[in-house]
Amino acid sequence: ETGVTQTPRHLVMGMTNKKSLKCEQHLGHNAMYWYKQSAKKPLELMFVYNFKEQTENNSVPSRFSPECPNSSHLFLHLHTLQPEDSALYLCASSQDRDTTGTGELFFGEGSRLTVL
Amino acid sequence: AQSVAQPEDQVNVAEGNPLTVKCTYSVSGNPYLFWYVQYPNRGLQFLLKYITGDNLVKGSYGFEAEFNKSQTSFHLKKPSALVSDSALYFCAVKDGGATNKLIFGTGTLLAVQP
Repeated sequence: ETGVTQTPRHLVMGMTNKKSLKCEQHLGHNAMYWYKQSAKKPLELMFVYNFKEQTENNSVPSRFSPECPNSSHLFLHLHTLQPEDSALYLCASSQDRDTTGTGELFFGEGSRLTVL
Repeated sequence: AQSVAQPEDQVNVAEGNPLTVKCTYSVSGNPYLFWYVQYPNRGLQFLLKYITGDNLVKGSYGFEAEFNKSQTSFHLKKPSALVSDSALYFCAVKDGGATNKLIFGTGTLLAVQP
């Protein structure tokens, strides 16, 4: 079992659907992240959670709604998406041991989302 | 703001030859630099990082990277490429602040021909 698990691996949805992506980390980390990966573009940081509290929202449209019920689980709720939201959504976690935060990120394998 | 640039979309190299994947950075303060690799249909895997100390950093799968402060570069290298090294490589810099938030480059596709 990998350290960071994402489900589903693939999701196809219509613009009027509501779906959720799930991420679970088994590493005992205290920070979790959602990144969006689109072709030919840098990875885009969407949300950061530290000890279940959202610490960053990078101007993400409200049709993406994150939820972090505890330090091990992170969800991304999706509703009324647009075709341009089709991408690979990557979850990551890290252990912020101190204020310098020099630890690396551990990524899941991603959820490939296609919006029709 | 912190940023990294990967000037090459793709690097082609023959198996057994040395490889270099380029990365330059722009930071305020001390740079914390990272390399990640992404195999097809997989998430990103950590390869190595530079925080402080020796300018030559050794990482996973025989990769290493050289931190060059004067040239603001952090190029990824390997003495002898393998076909299995073919993947997408990302350079990243830690954003300012207390978390491990990383700012990634656009990625470089490494293609190793047999």
